[in-house]
Amino acid sequence: TQLLEQSPQFLSIQEGENLTVYCNSSSVFSSLQWYRQEPGEGPVLLVTVVTGGEVKKLKRLTFQFGDARKDSSLHITAAQPGDTGLYLCAGGRDKIIFGKGTRLHILP
Amino acid sequence: DAEITQSPRHKITETGRQVTLACHQTWNHNNMFWYRQDLGHGLRLIHYSYGVQDTNKGEVSDGYSVSRSNTEDLPLTLESAASSQTSVYFCASSAWQGGTEAFFGQGTRLTVV
Repeated sequence: TQLLEQSPQFLSIQEGENLTVYCNSSSVFSSLQWYRQEPGEGPVLLVTVVTGGEVKKLKRLTFQFGDARKDSSLHITAAQPGDTGLYLCAGGRDKIIFGKGTRLHILP
Repeated sequence: DAEITQSPRHKITETGRQVTLACHQTWNHNNMFWYRQDLGHGLRLIHYSYGVQDTNKGEVSDGYSVSRSNTEDLPLTLESAASSQTSVYFCASSAWQGGTEAFFGQGTRLTVV
């Protein structure tokens, strides 16, 4: 059974700080996805990483896929209150499974 | 614009009643999924379908059923609602199996009293 573990579970930081959240598994994934979910809404895709070692940037967000394709990280530079939300990683071969998420709160 | 819609958005039902949550997508996606989201557990897969007449059990399928009679709809039925099924339910669809973007509905908040 494929499992995705995310850390930290909660993170509260000041505006302007940098942060990194992690998504780890003992299984190899052909690709991993990062979603962001806001209260009362469904998750929305941010990025998909496919190749081991791949780095993708989305404005202040940097996503990295581990060389062995078992883990991924999301780094946010100069966090802003608008970054507040639940960040979920997801992947799977024949069905999409999700980690439990990192709940991020950026204090103004 | 293509979309995926869930109804109702909120429902309160009594223990033991049968409840059906609707999910309709206009993406023309083959794959559809039902998840429940609870604090401390994240999104857990209930059932999924790869196409018409295809249904598969996820990790928390007990007490739930689905049927796929057309591409657009995957209704989720709680056969006999239990308080443990109080949760927020999300439907999603995707174009391909695994590793592709899933589009989510806005969720149904179900309370079983």
